[in-house]
Amino acid sequence: KNEVEQSPQNLTAQEGEFITINCSYSVGISALHWLQQHPGGGIVSLFMLSSGKKKHGRLIATINIQEKHSSLHITASHPRDSAVYICAVEETSGSRLTFGEGTQLTVNP
Amino acid sequence: NAGVMQNPRHLVRRRGQEARLRCSPMKGHSHVYWYRQLPEEGLKFMVYLQKENIIDESGMPKERFSAEFPKEGPSILRIQQVVRGDSAAYFCASSPHTGPGNTIYFGEGSWLTVV
Repeated sequence: KNEVEQSPQNLTAQEGEFITINCSYSVGISALHWLQQHPGGGIVSLFMLSSGKKKHGRLIATINIQEKHSSLHITASHPRDSAVYICAVEETSGSRLTFGEGTQLTVNP
Repeated sequence: NAGVMQNPRHLVRRRGQEARLRCSPMKGHSHVYWYRQLPEEGLKFMVYLQKENIIDESGMPKERFSAEFPKEGPSILRIQQVVRGDSAAYFCASSPHTGPGNTIYFGEGSWLTVV
């Protein structure tokens, strides 16, 4: 079992839909990161969370430390949101990141 | 303020050759991480370095792979005698200091193809 599990693996939505991507982890963490990766492209850091909720534009990220669970929400989705979204945790034992397998999001016009 | 710079972006090597991947962290960042993304797989940690020191290399393959971050110049990930299984995207990330909750900045990645 991976230390970081994401669901769903693949997600297809229509433009305008509300999207949720989930992340569960099994280790003690100091922070959780949500990342975005476009095909053949680099990785962009979207959020870093250690508690509560953060919002940036149409993106919202929440974390529940007790339940070891985080969600990434996209409101009013757009085709340009199509990308792989990756959850990564910083374990309390060190600074390195442990990654989920990623969620491939496709938003159709 | 340039971001994390990686080069080359794409590198093709024949089996048995050496591959050198370079990473210049963001200005003011002294912590560098290397991650590998094999085809159709997730990202995996390889090594964590500070200037002139390897802090954690628990994700590095035991043979053929080495990394350095000298006092001057970029961090270098070196792969000797490459094999087809080394074909992957190699990402570098940097942060200004250690400790929980740092924002980590990623480079654009270096795509290695071994033919």
